[in-house]
This record gives sequence, C-alpha cells and structure tokens, in this order.
Amino acid sequence: DTAVSQTPKYLVTQMGNDKSIKCEQNLGHDTMYWYKQDSKKFLKIMFSYNNKELIINETVPNRFSPKSPDKAHLNLHINSLELGDSAVYFCASSQVPGSPYEQYFGPGTRLTVT
Amino acid sequence: AQKVTQAQTEISVVEKEDVTLDCVYETRDTTYYLFWYKQPPSGELVFLIRRNSFDEQNEISGRYSWNFQKSTSSFNFTITASQVVDSAVYFCALRAYTGANSKLTFGKGITLSVRP
Repeated sequence: DTAVSQTPKYLVTQMGNDKSIKCEQNLGHDTMYWYKQDSKKFLKIMFSYNNKELIINETVPNRFSPKSPDKAHLNLHINSLELGDSAVYFCASSQVPGSPYEQYFGPGTRLTVT
Repeated sequence: AQKVTQAQTEISVVEKEDVTLDCVYETRDTTYYLFWYKQPPSGELVFLIRRNSFDEQNEISGRYSWNFQKSTSSFNFTITASQVVDSAVYFCALRAYTGANSKLTFGKGITLSVRP
C-alpha cells in the first residue's frame, strides 16, 4: 500500500548515457512533482504536473524531460547525463495545486553519474 | 520571493535532552503555509506538520511541539526528551497560496544527532 513509489532506488551510470526514473502515486492526487536534492541536502523543485499538464518548470537544463502519461504517473527522463546530475531525485504528490495540502514524497532515487 | 532560513546546520544532544530547531521565513504573501519534514538516515522525506498563516495556535503531538509566531516570522520545532530515533535532517518549508504554480520552498535543513 505504498503511497508514492519510485523506481529504481539506485541508478549508477556513465556520463553521456540516457536514463529514466519512474514515479507512481496511489493517493488519488492531482498534482505530482520532481525535486532534486544535492550533496548538501538542499531540496529544490524541478517540475510540477497537474492532471498531466506541466504547471511548474524551474530553470532545469533541457536534458531533463518529465512525462506524465496519466495523473498517477510522472516519469523523469534525463539525456546525456553529466557528473553534476548526481543527486537524489524525489517524486512527490499532493491534492489540487495551490491548495494548502502537504506533499507526500517517494523514497527517492539516488543517481550517480561516473 | 519567498525564503526559509534554518540558521542551525547541525545540533548534537544527549538522549532525553530537549531540543529546539529554529525556522525563520520571508514571504510577501498574506496567506501561506508552513511545513516541517523529517529525513531520517534511510533517506525518505516524512511529513510532520502543516500550519496555515491565519492559525497561530501552537501544536503539540506527543514529544513534538511547534511554536508559530507571525510577529517574528518564525515556526520553531521542539522535541522534548529526545531519543536516538529522532536523529535525522529536519526541513522547514514554506508555500505561499498564490495558485497552481505556488512552490514549496525548503530551508537548508538541520542535522540533529541524538547520542545515547
């Protein structure tokens, strides 16, 4: 009965490769997010989708492309991986955007680029 | 623009001590929401509490209590009689109520170590 799940949990890959991280939520939420947590633990939003529509797109390199096939899924595809992309990526979901409701986070995907 | 400052970076206490984690925020919005999240060593982010800007009542949940003071733009978190399991990184976060594109802004986190 996992609320927000992500796969894989760990991802080790070489520079230049393309990789994807998948996220699914079974909370019935309308909004999903991707966050990046750097080595200093700083958390920053990357993207937000509401009902498959992109509503927040922070200054993220074009190599990062989110895709939402339906409101329960939000995947993150990263092209031409660079060393600086190494981080923990968190997926989250919440009820309708702009509402006061808290966001629930997935377990995170630790991406290591060598 | 909104900002969350957690001036303490690391705190170390001995079990059973009380500890307060400070959070100061900045926002121009009159309606906003404050949150605390816990990130234990296992890495997941656990939601602890949400507070609305128009509700200044303090809250207590077991050993945890939160003190929201609008006058000083602070939302501090106290753990009473700390336990080793409280060891984690604690994040304070702010979201202004400005519509669908309102973002959750996190502080840099406070690493709490509770020694037996």
